[in-house]
Amino acid sequence: EVQLVQSGAEVKKPGESLEIPCKGSGYRFTSYWISWVRQMPGDVLEWMGTIDSSGSYTDYSPSFQGHVTISVDKSISTAYLQWSGLKASDTAMYYCARHPSRSSHLDYWGQGTLVTVSS
Amino acid sequence: DIQMTQSPSTLSASVGDRVTITCRASQSVSTWLAWYQQKPGKAPKLLIYVASTLASGVPSRFSGSGSGTEFTLTISSLQPDDFATYFCQQYSSYRTFGQGTKVEI
Repeated sequence: EVQLVQSGAEVKKPGESLEIPCKGSGYRFTSYWISWVRQMPGDVLEWMGTIDSSGSYTDYSPSFQGHVTISVDKSISTAYLQWSGLKASDTAMYYCARHPSRSSHLDYWGQGTLVTVSS
Repeated sequence: DIQMTQSPSTLSASVGDRVTITCRASQSVSTWLAWYQQKPGKAPKLLIYVASTLASGVPSRFSGSGSGTEFTLTISSLQPDDFATYFCQQYSSYRTFGQGTKVEI
C-alpha cells in the first residue's frame, strides 16, 4: 500500500526554524517526485515546489522561492520541507504529495502537518 | 501564472442529482488538468487526471471532460459519500489550483 506519512502538528514562534518530514513507503521511492502543497484557512491550495526523489532537481513556485527549502534523504525514503525563519503568515496545513514525473498529477497525498506560528 | 477559476463556489444538491462543476484556465493547459476531492480534516484525493482519465478505485459516476481552457467534472448520480469540496488543478506550467467547489446538501 502506498503511504506518505507526515509528522504531527507543530507550534513555533516567529523567526524560528522548522523542518517537517514526509516518509514514503509501499513503492519505489526514487521513481517518483514529491511536491509540497500549502492549505491556509479558507481552503485554498497552493503548490510550493517539488523535488525528484533522487535529490538531483528541485523546482519552486515563484511565490515560495527563497522562503522554503525542499530536500530529500533517499536512504530513508523521506522528503523534507524546511523554513529558516517562520512568519505568522506561514500558519497553515502542509501536505506532501507524490507524482510520477516532474509535471504530472498528484496521485497520493500525505495526511498533512499543521504548522502554527504565533508569538 | 495560470489562473484557475471554478464555478460555482458552492453547490446545493440532493442524493441522486446529476452535478456538474466547471473549471476555466486563464490560458490553454491542453489536457493537463486534474480533479481532487477533499473532505473536512482529510487530504485531497485524486479523482481524475489528464482531464478525463479516472484514477484507480474512483467510482464510474465521476467523469471529466474538456481541453484547452474549459473543463468539467460531472457526478452522474450524487451519493452521500460525495458531499465534499472539489478542486481542479492545472499542471501545464507549474501547478495551480482552483478555489474549490463545495458540494453540500
